[in-house]
Amino acid sequence: ETGVTQTPRHLVMGMTNKKSLKCEQHLGHNAMYWYKQSAKKPLELMFVYSLEERVENNSVPSRFSPECPNSSHLFLHLHTLQPEDSALYLCASSHGPGQGTDTQYFGPGTRLTVL
Amino acid sequence: SQQGEEDPQALSIQEGENATMNCSYKTSINNLQWYRQNSGRGLVHLILIRSNEREKHSGRLRVTLDTSKKSSSLLITASRAADTASYFCATASEETSGSRLTFGEGTQLTVNP
Repeated sequence: ETGVTQTPRHLVMGMTNKKSLKCEQHLGHNAMYWYKQSAKKPLELMFVYSLEERVENNSVPSRFSPECPNSSHLFLHLHTLQPEDSALYLCASSHGPGQGTDTQYFGPGTRLTVL
Repeated sequence: SQQGEEDPQALSIQEGENATMNCSYKTSINNLQWYRQNSGRGLVHLILIRSNEREKHSGRLRVTLDTSKKSSSLLITASRAADTASYFCATASEETSGSRLTFGEGTQLTVNP
């Protein structure tokens, strides 16, 4: 256990559905991340929440919408997804900027399949 | 090529042998980290080496860093079947905040019993 939990672990949804992925960290960290991991591709950083700052990868489509209500919880809201969005979605947390090395701690991921 | 490229893409060895994986990167870095991922699971941090360090050890792991060549290697000694996983290097660049890591595509290591 890394101290980062993700739910659900598996999700199958149609292209017209709306769903949300949840991530929670119990490490007292100040930064949280969403990554997309597709087969045979490097991890793609989607969003970063660090203290009060949100940084996003401009290549992420608007059908992915993050929400970070506090430093311990992170959501990824999904709507009108495409089959190519099927992937493993990983959440991670770290101490945040100015805290030194910034090792990231990952959750187990949500395996998303879009039909 | 992308920041943090691993080489080889796949490696298959026998239990007890050593496994060496390499990583190359492009920009100046603050540190380089190695992570491990078991199939379909999250990544687990293994070891971090700072830009002013050349070698670091942790148990059966040995990491080297050559900033002049912008490369790093991860050596796993006396491998075990349980070491079977994907291994990723990740760089923390001087040009971005310390919160952001750039990951490579990974090396799939298979250790045969």
